[in-house]
Amino acid sequence: DAGVIQSPRHEVTEMGQEVTLRCKPISGHDYLFWYRQTMMRGLELLIYFNNNVPIDDSGMPEDRFSAKMPNASFSTLKIQPSEPRDSAVYFCASSGGGNTEAFFGQGTRLTVV
Amino acid sequence: AQSVTQLDSHVSVSEGTPVLLRCNYSSSYSPSLFWYVQHPNKGLQLLLKYTSAATLVKGINGFEAEFKKSETSFHLTKPSAHMSDAAEYFCVVRGGSYIPTFGRGTSLIVHP
Repeated sequence: DAGVIQSPRHEVTEMGQEVTLRCKPISGHDYLFWYRQTMMRGLELLIYFNNNVPIDDSGMPEDRFSAKMPNASFSTLKIQPSEPRDSAVYFCASSGGGNTEAFFGQGTRLTVV
Repeated sequence: AQSVTQLDSHVSVSEGTPVLLRCNYSSSYSPSLFWYVQHPNKGLQLLLKYTSAATLVKGINGFEAEFKKSETSFHLTKPSAHMSDAAEYFCVVRGGSYIPTFGRGTSLIVHP
């Protein structure tokens, strides 16, 4: 397996634009997590899915953020409209059930100017 | 509820000397514990994991960690630091909620 695949690796956009981040989890994993990493706040869990169903989105900062998982092999995180304070590295991770380890993608570095 | 406290935000060692990165956890359930490493501008890589088997866990690159339930600790050690070990290290707990909860990270600095 190629691991968790995220795209794009880098995204630079203007304030107010819509941004869509994409994630392909490892096949067979039934948990998918979206994290945001900043210097100020470290790694924050934004939302997670179990069997494609959103379970906890309490970490999503505002209504501008939304996430979907239409099938077991694809998830998106959308920011609309984007703001400069959304600039961060966004990681997607997937795992099997129970307390197994999570595998992380390489991240998307988002810069909103 | 679960939480992780990494006791040092920065640890500085000389090459060839031992490394100790400290982690304390809290969990209402018997948790699994992990250490991840993140090199600059890279993703997170699993170093090692504890999942209720042996309490002394060996990982990649010569790292190991010992699970101590009585102390609720899971400290990461390495006998001899290498320049390539310079990175950010994260302690992670995963318990009954199945959510991996991260510590704030410890930056390991290795001096020649």
